[in-house]
Formats: sequence, C-alpha cells, structure tokens
Amino acid sequence: GAVVSQHPSRVICKSGTSVKIECRSLDFQATTMFWYRQFPKQSLMLMATSNEGSKATYEQGVEKDKFLINHASLTLSTLTVTSAHPEDSSFYICSARQGFSYEQYFGPGTRLTVT
Amino acid sequence: AQSVTQLGSHVSVSEGALVLLRCNYSSSVPPYLFWYVQYPNQGLQLLLKYTTGATLVKGINGFEAEFKKSETSFHLTKPSAHMSDAAEYFCAVSEGENQGGKLIFGQGTELSVKP
Repeated sequence: GAVVSQHPSRVICKSGTSVKIECRSLDFQATTMFWYRQFPKQSLMLMATSNEGSKATYEQGVEKDKFLINHASLTLSTLTVTSAHPEDSSFYICSARQGFSYEQYFGPGTRLTVT
Repeated sequence: AQSVTQLGSHVSVSEGALVLLRCNYSSSVPPYLFWYVQYPNQGLQLLLKYTTGATLVKGINGFEAEFKKSETSFHLTKPSAHMSDAAEYFCAVSEGENQGGKLIFGQGTELSVKP
C-alpha cells in the first residue's frame, strides 16, 4: 500500500516551453502533497506544500509564478514548470501524506532536462 | 527552527562490516525522525521512523536506529554491510503539524560498500 507515482519519469523540453509533472497517490487519499527539487549529489529541497482544494504554500525563494502547483483532487497534484530554462533542469520528487500522518510516501521522481 | 546534520557526506565500509551513519537534529519540540534510502535516479524509500515509544527502532533490510534525546542524535546502524546497501541515505526530521507536516532533510550520506 501507500504507492505514489509520478509521470513522466523523464522529460526533455526546449527552453521557453512549459512542462507538467503529475503526482498521484494510487491507493490512498492524499490530503497533503509536497514537491521537492534535488540537484545532483545534493539533498532534497522542499519547494511547496499543497493541500487539496487550496492554494499551495511555497517555500521562501521559490517562484510561485514559475512553478505552478495544482492539487485538484485527493489523489492528484501537478507541478508545471513555466517558461523553462536550463537552470530548471533537475530531479523533481513529490511526496504525499494521508490525513495527519507523520509519514510521507515518495514518488519515483521526474528527471527534467531543459535544452 | 528544525535542522538536521549528517556527519560525513561519504562513508565507505567493507562488505560484512558495521555500518554507522550519523544524524544529529535540532528541534524545539519532540521530533519525529526518519531515515530514507535513495538509489540512483529513484525516489526515497523509508527505512525506519521514530515517533514515540521505544527509542531503538528497527527498520527494513536489517537497519536500526536509536533515538537519543540527550545527544539529539538518531544514528543509523547495520551490523553487517551488504553490497546492495550502497546508496544515498537521508535523515529527516518533522515537527508534525507544528510545521504543516514538513520534513527537513539532512545533506545526505553516500554509502559505498567494498567487496
């Protein structure tokens, strides 16, 4: 149980375009989803927290107009990287938690490459 | 504010040797503590967690960790390393709903296992 999927697993896009990453909780309802960014050989950096049906809460320094987060249902959250640039290339990981559980379940990650 | 420090960005052990990965945290309230493992280009997998109760926590793959409040530590150990243990390990802390369920990660420790 507690499986989280991400789609796509890898994406390559041209500079200036937008790309959407989906995060789904497959066998539970996720009241909260989290989006992280991970640079090579580094730790996870929390970008934002999204609660179903409300606006995402962004961490300091994260541009909310560039990284659009939507949590439209209890099983789906999306991250859209708008007007992508090469510096946005990274590994993006989502996680989800059920109710007020202290545990987060992580997706397999999405490797974004902007050319 | 919470923080997590993992001593040693890289640890190398021989197969069959003891694994010890160090984690110290700071938290203003009783913390919830986690160890995750990440294999290349994958998401995070929970190894074990401490929330309340017994301070010695056993996890998957033969790993265990001990919560020591007086030392603000949560070191991860495994008696005998296996080649398949080679991966990146992250310690994380949460203050639960005080911080909206967010996890704060340490910098990570890369474990290498020599034959």
